[in-house]
Amino acid sequence: KQEVTQIPAALSVPEGENLVLNCSFTDSAIYNLQWFRQDPGKGLTSLLLIQSSQREQTSGRLNASLDKSSGRSTLYIAASQPGDSATYLCAARISGNTPLVFGKGTRLSVIA
Amino acid sequence: GAVVSQHPSWVICKSGTSVKIECRSLDFQATTMFWYRQFPKQSLMLMATSNEGSKATYEQGVEKDKFLINHASLTLSTLTVTSAHPEDSSFYICSAPGQSYEQYFGPGTRLTVT
Repeated sequence: KQEVTQIPAALSVPEGENLVLNCSFTDSAIYNLQWFRQDPGKGLTSLLLIQSSQREQTSGRLNASLDKSSGRSTLYIAASQPGDSATYLCAARISGNTPLVFGKGTRLSVIA
Repeated sequence: GAVVSQHPSWVICKSGTSVKIECRSLDFQATTMFWYRQFPKQSLMLMATSNEGSKATYEQGVEKDKFLINHASLTLSTLTVTSAHPEDSSFYICSAPGQSYEQYFGPGTRLTVT
C-alpha cells in the first residue's frame, strides 16, 4: 500500500530565502505525483504535476523534481515571499484512474 | 483548465439530520470521482470512489450506510451524510481525474454538526 511522507511537518523561514520541501513515497511504481497548496480553511490549489516519465517540472518560482528509484520528490521554492505561507501537500497516484495518496503536508511560514 | 464545483461550500446541521453534498465537473465528464475527508490540521483521507453507473467503493473503516454516494450522471456525484453526528464535522472534498489523469479538486464543503 502506497504511503507518502512529508518532511518537515512545519517550516519557518525569513522572506527571500530559498527552501526545499521533501516528499517520499514507498511504492516507486507511481503514475504521477502532484504538489498542492492549501490555505487555512480552503481547498486545494494544484501547483505542479509530474508524470512518472518526467524528472522535474517548473512553474515560476517553483520547481518540483521526481526520483522514482529513490521514492522521492522535492518542491523547491525560490525567493520565498510571505504570500507563500500555506500548507504544501504532496500526493502520489499508482495508476491513471486511481485516487491520490496524500502526505500530511508541510506547514510553511514565510516571515517578512 | 478543468473545473470541479461543490455545493454547499459550508453547512451547519443538527445532530441526527442528513446532509447532501454535490460535486460537479463543469466542463468535462467524469466516470469516476473521489471523495476525501480532512479533519483539522490533518491531511486528506480517501473515503470512497464514486463510479458512474455502478456502486461506489468505500475505503476500510468508512460506513457505506452512513455515507451514501450516488454518481447520478457523468458530471455529478453526491455524498449524503446520514444521521450526522458531531464527529462527522469535517472538511469534505471531491475530485475528478481530467485529461492526463491530473486530479481536479472541488473547493470543499465544511460540515459542522451541532
